[in-house]
Amino acid sequence: QKEVEQNSGPLSVPEGAIASLNCTYSDRGSQSFFWYRQYSGKSPELIMSIYSNGDKEDGRFTAQLNKASQYVSLLIRDSQPSDSATYLCAGGFSGGYNKLIFGAGTRLAVHP
Amino acid sequence: EAQVTQNPRYLITVTGKKLTVTCSQNMNHEYMSWYRQDPGLGLRQIYYSMNVEVTDKGDVPEGYKVSRKEKRNFPLILESPSPNQTSLYFCASGIPRGEQYFGPGTRLTVT
Repeated sequence: QKEVEQNSGPLSVPEGAIASLNCTYSDRGSQSFFWYRQYSGKSPELIMSIYSNGDKEDGRFTAQLNKASQYVSLLIRDSQPSDSATYLCAGGFSGGYNKLIFGAGTRLAVHP
Repeated sequence: EAQVTQNPRYLITVTGKKLTVTCSQNMNHEYMSWYRQDPGLGLRQIYYSMNVEVTDKGDVPEGYKVSRKEKRNFPLILESPSPNQTSLYFCASGIPRGEQYFGPGTRLTVT
């Protein structure tokens, strides 16, 4: 079974700081990675997709993928209290897996 | 608006009383999936469907049934619910190993 690992947190950052969320995975055959944001009691919302090595930026969010190190990260610049949520990392793996494999999520708390 | 809808959003029922949670998407996706989410266990896939009439078990299929007669609909059926099926349920549609979009969730309590 492929695995996606995340530190459960909570990760606490002050408002305006950069929040760095990390994710590792267990197989080099993986193809794609996704970051979802989930507020308490709500559904996961897709915020970033990344398919190749390097950085991908979208507004205040930057996703980073390093396939050699089997490492994915999400940076949130100028963190706001409204960014406080659980962030789920998900991988789309080759080899017959017809699903995304989700990490357990990292809880982010942005304090004023 | 592109979306996945689920009904009901909240449901309290008793052990053994059959229930159906509906899921519908308007994005013309072939792939749909059901997940349950429990504290400390994360998102676990129950069943998925690659396209109409094709469904397959996920990680935790016991006690659940699904059907896919139309592309847009993918209902989840609990024929004899038990308390251990109390959970938060999400339907999703999209690409099997790619972008997936979640419905708002159904909070089910079985007493």
